Amino acid sequence: EPEVTQTPSHQVTQMGQEVILRCVPISNHLYFYWYRQILGQKVEFLVSFYNNEISEKSEIFDDQFSVERPDGSNFTLKIRSTKLEDSAMYFCASISDSILSYEQYFGPGTRLTVT
Amino acid sequence: GDSVTQMEGPVTLSEEAFLTINCTYTATGYPSLFWYVQYPGEGLQLLLKATKADDKGSNKGFEATYRKETTSFHLEKGSVQVSDSAVYFCALSPPPGSTLTFGKGTMLLVSP
Repeated sequence: EPEVTQTPSHQVTQMGQEVILRCVPISNHLYFYWYRQILGQKVEFLVSFYNNEISEKSEIFDDQFSVERPDGSNFTLKIRSTKLEDSAMYFCASISDSILSYEQYFGPGTRLTVT
Repeated sequence: GDSVTQMEGPVTLSEEAFLTINCTYTATGYPSLFWYVQYPGEGLQLLLKATKADDKGSNKGFEATYRKETTSFHLEKGSVQVSDSAVYFCALSPPPGSTLTFGKGTMLLVSP
């Protein structure tokens, strides 16, 4: 069964460093999402991406964040200058067609620890 | 804005016990409602969904009914198994497939 994959599973970085979280969505999917979950808190929407551009973003998704689909298979989330409060589990999700489909397929997540 | 409230966990049960995990929501219009499950070390998987009032979603023995009058979507299972131990997330989206608003998640621990 096709699945969304994410790498790395765990990333440790120092405050102020840039990190890139990688996701490979399911191959025929068209819509892509990033969510995050700070430990003990709810899963929060960050950004959605369709047709090579951001379709929606939350207040969390400020100028330090960016997304890219560089090669038609990977979908990346870049955090330019990490802060302690960026420590969280980051989930990528994809969906084949947001009009007809209900299920967002999630990856296993990347745990980001900022020290 | 939209929000989802779930009961605090962990919920600890013995095998074959009855499970209820409460979920209530606040949303404008008529959202679609979901339960996602996260097994240890894995991603979020859709467990069941309901897209309109009085719909009942069901899967793997779990059920939840979309109650518009009480804005609730409680998850139930008649007889839990150890393998059901996981974190359960209630979620909503305004139109289907759009961004999801999640609850905090409820950890379920089932002992033999």
